[in-house]
Amino acid sequence: DAGVTQSPTHLIKTRGQQVTLRCSPISGHKSVSWYQQVLGQGPQFIFQYYEKEERGRGNFPDRFSARQFPNYSSELNVNALLLGDSALYLCASSLVQTTNEKLFFGSGTQLSVL
Amino acid sequence: GESVGLHLPTLSVQEGDNSIINCAYSNSASDYFIWYKQESGKGPQFIIDIRSNMDKRQGQRVTVLLNKTVKHLSLQIAATQPGDSAVYFCAENIGPGGSYIPTFGRGTSLIVHP
Repeated sequence: DAGVTQSPTHLIKTRGQQVTLRCSPISGHKSVSWYQQVLGQGPQFIFQYYEKEERGRGNFPDRFSARQFPNYSSELNVNALLLGDSALYLCASSLVQTTNEKLFFGSGTQLSVL
Repeated sequence: GESVGLHLPTLSVQEGDNSIINCAYSNSASDYFIWYKQESGKGPQFIIDIRSNMDKRQGQRVTVLLNKTVKHLSLQIAATQPGDSAVYFCAENIGPGGSYIPTFGRGTSLIVHP
């Protein structure tokens, strides 16, 4: 069975540009979460979506947005990129929307902002 | 030995030794905890979880201990192997301000010497 898949694997953008990252959850999983991981730190929660609705939001500016589609895949959008947005962006899926459940992570999208 | 500095805390062990990785969690209301392993270039991978009604849980070669009094988790890896080299994160299910946001610790880098 396929795990969580993310695309692209690597991306280089310049300041001020916009980026869209994509995630396909494990088949049967209805919840998708997005995390930002800066080098040397643990993943920081950005969003959680369940059944196409936002169910949780971390402490990130409005430049960050996301959505979930009927097939449970998800996109993360970041507008007006800053140098500090350079990070590994991780998508995780789980069966349902609860924090009392383990997450299955993809390998991430490495975003570099120049 | 274990060292904590400006960079990721690091634990260096010899192959075959037992490893103990420690984690201090933040929120006394958290009632579900997970240990994840992250290898280079990959997303975090579930190792073992524990709920707050337990103080110990064992898996294959791994044991998690929970001390709610001092808000401390530990991960014990028996007979550590080179393949165990990775960064290990603990995560709690309640974040800052009591929000139900999976919150990751900073992580510990485990280096296993053959």
